[in-house]
Order: sequence, then structure tokens, then C-alpha cells
Amino acid sequence: EVQLVESGGGLVQPGGSLRLSCAASGFTFSNYWMGWVRQAPGKGLEWVANIKEDGSDKYYVDSVKGRFTISRDNAKNSLYLQMNSLGAEDTAVYYCARVPDSANIWFDRWGQGIQVTVSS
Amino acid sequence: EIVLTQSPATLSLSPGERATLSCRASQSVSSYLAWYQQKPGQAPRLLIYDASNRATGIPARFSGSGSGTDFTLTISSLEPEDFAVYYCQQRSIWPPITFGPGTRLDIK
Repeated sequence: EVQLVESGGGLVQPGGSLRLSCAASGFTFSNYWMGWVRQAPGKGLEWVANIKEDGSDKYYVDSVKGRFTISRDNAKNSLYLQMNSLGAEDTAVYYCARVPDSANIWFDRWGQGIQVTVSS
Repeated sequence: EIVLTQSPATLSLSPGERATLSCRASQSVSSYLAWYQQKPGQAPRLLIYDASNRATGIPARFSGSGSGTDFTLTISSLEPEDFAVYYCQQRSIWPPITFGPGTRLDIK
């Protein structure tokens, strides 16, 4: 069974940093693109970042470029999102999601989500 | 950036009725459109990809159609578990990957 389990969320002050992790199981992690999608309270879905199978290509929404870094460790079946210079606008539930491949940029499996709250 | 709009914002129907949800793109996305279902407190679930292909395990009452800029998600006969929020997503021109604002399907 495919499982994606996020961790590392919580309350952080404006300007602070947080690192999210996503532990993958039930599939060959190194064969898939992966991504992060977030959802602000009461709002819709917003794509944040994607990373290629081998980590060689990374893509970001403009609003997080230069602040967030997506990475992966295929040996540990893990995906990460390093978030720096956090602002209130980054408060959201963050989902880790699997992408079938470079020709099918959909999100076919999702984690349960992790809350990130940026507040003083 | 391709902007997706969804209509209606809210749709109130009864179990057994047919639901028709619309997604419109600001420019052509060919058939590179997906639909997701999200229930309260849950992660989204992929329903349809490439406009008309059902994802694994999705019941046949869900169908997608359209190409270019206009797309439709149809639920042929609503079951109680179908009342949720539905989002469309395009992958034609990215980054960024964009989602529509969602349609809330409520029980009438």
C-alpha cells in the first residue's frame, strides 16, 4: 500500500525556518517525481514545488522561490521541504504528493498533510 | 500563468441526481486537465486525469470530458459519499501547476 507520511510541521515565528519531511513507502520512491501542495485555512489548493526522480530538476511557484528548497533522499525514501523566511502567508496544511512521471504531472497519491502556522 | 475558473462555486443536489461541474482555462490546456475530490479534513484524491481518464479505483459514475479551454466533471448519480469539494488542475504549461478555486457539492 502506498503511504506518504509528513512530519516536521508546527508553529514558527515570522522570519523563521522549518523543515518538512515526507516518508514514503509501498512503492519504488526513486522511480517517481514528487511534489508539495499546500492549502491555506479555508482556501483552495496551491502547488508549491516538484522534484524529479533523481533530484536533478526542481520547480517552484514564484511565491516561494529563493525561500523554499525541495530535496529528496532516495536511499531513505524521503522527501523534504526546507522553508526559510516564513511569513503569515505560508500558514497552511502542506501535503506531500506523488507525481507519476514527467509526462503526467498529476498528484496520484497524497499524504495526510501537516500543519504549518506562522505567527508571533 | 494559466488561470482556471470553476463553476458553480456551490452546487446543491440530492443523492441520486446528476452533477455537472465546470472548469474553464484562460488558454488552451489541450487535454492536460485533472480533477480531484477533497472531503473535510482529508487529503485530495485524484479522480480524473488527461480530461477523461479515471484514476485507479475511481467508480464509473465519475466521468470527465472536454478539451482546450472547457472541461466538465460529471457524476452520473450522486452517492452520499460524493458530497465534497472538487478541484481541477492543469499541467499543460508549467511551472506553475495551477488549480481551480473549487466547487463545493452540497447535499440539498
